[in-house]
Amino acid sequence: QQQVKQSPQSLIVQKGGISIINCAYENTAFDYFPWYQQFPGKGPALLIAIRPDVSEKKEGRFTISFNKSAKQFSLHIMDSQPGDSATYFCAASNSAGGTSYGKLTFGQGTILTVHP
Amino acid sequence: DAGVIQSPRHEVTEMGQEVTLRCKPISGHDYLFWYRQTMMRGLELLIYFNNNVPIDDSGMPEDRFSAKMPNASFSTLKIQPSEPRDSAVYFCASSFRVGTNQPQHFGDGTRLSIL
Repeated sequence: QQQVKQSPQSLIVQKGGISIINCAYENTAFDYFPWYQQFPGKGPALLIAIRPDVSEKKEGRFTISFNKSAKQFSLHIMDSQPGDSATYFCAASNSAGGTSYGKLTFGQGTILTVHP
Repeated sequence: DAGVIQSPRHEVTEMGQEVTLRCKPISGHDYLFWYRQTMMRGLELLIYFNNNVPIDDSGMPEDRFSAKMPNASFSTLKIQPSEPRDSAVYFCASSFRVGTNQPQHFGDGTRLSIL
């Protein structure tokens, strides 16, 4: 019930195209859904995050869409650029406190390659 | 402000040796997390601390692994004795709790190879 399932494992997109990565979760107590971006040799870095009281959040070319009833959320990268090539992780956590606070459960990651 | 600092960046050692990984969190952050990343298992949370106190160590794989946080600016993850299956990238992350859901800031990791 703590799993977050991410797909696809890898994605190849042409420059200017739209990249879409999907995640699904089971634990209805999750109330915070961040996306992290990781470049080779670096640690993951927070890209964008959403809480379930909104269905969409946009920051520049990056948008999270959230479907609470389906327990799914996705990352859309508009006008994808070669510099976006990285591994993307979705994650989820429960902010109810106690030992579960801040404990992120990560998806398996998606390797995105954007061809010039 | 400096980010999370991990050392060493790379460690190669022989099976059976003791390995110590080090982490300096961002100043003022009161949560510290240790993760392990492998191709097979992805990013796994090993243990996390709040105000230097271990809160949840349920992800620590076995007794060979131990973690300490003697003060707010330093933490160690120790493996003794090390085994080839411990080879992975180990990340430390820290966060600051103001309200809820503060982002975790990751270091650049320690790439550990056990021969």
